[in-house]
Amino acid sequence: KAGVTQTPRYLIKTRGQQVTLSCSPISGHRSVSWYQQTPGQGLQFLFEYFSETQRNKGNFPGRFSGRQFSNSRSEMNVSTLELGDSALYLCASSLARAGGNSPLHFGNGTRLTVT
Amino acid sequence: DAKTTQPPSMDCAEGRAANLPCNHSTISGNEYVYWYRQIHSQGPQYIIHGLKNNETNEMASLIITEDRKSSTLILPHATLRDTAVYYCIVRPPEGNTPLVFGKGTRLSVIA
Repeated sequence: KAGVTQTPRYLIKTRGQQVTLSCSPISGHRSVSWYQQTPGQGLQFLFEYFSETQRNKGNFPGRFSGRQFSNSRSEMNVSTLELGDSALYLCASSLARAGGNSPLHFGNGTRLTVT
Repeated sequence: DAKTTQPPSMDCAEGRAANLPCNHSTISGNEYVYWYRQIHSQGPQYIIHGLKNNETNEMASLIITEDRKSSTLILPHATLRDTAVYYCIVRPPEGNTPLVFGKGTRLSVIA
């Protein structure tokens, strides 16, 4: 069974631009979550989607947004990029809503560098 | 969410068992204990999880104390590829709470 696939693997953008990252969950998984990882802040939760609806959101500005499609694939968008947005962006999927007895399985992330 | 405490680093000789402790003294009765690991430049990898009973899979064993205030992840025969940061996380049963990663334990497997 294929794991969580994230594209692109690496991305370089300049300040002020916007970026879209893509995530394909494990087949059959309906919940997709996004996390940001930086050396200073560690892993931080961005948002969770289930059945095309955002179910939970972390403490990030409105420049960070996402969506989920009917096939459970998800995208996240960051507008007006800032230097501090440089990070590893991780997508994770699970069979059911993220919690309890349903493990999250992570992709290998998209490394975003903002210059 | 219950907070977890892990040692910042540990060493283990290759081929020996690696025992990684985690303290979660404020865990609630219906919260799960999860373990993940992250190898440099990769996403976190799910290892194992449990509620009350000890669990074993092809990667590791999870031992949860009877009072559930602590647990130990056991890698039975550590290899160099097990060098990673290991995270112990407590999760409530409801499906609306994200994973909260602490600083984890950096395990170094030494040849």
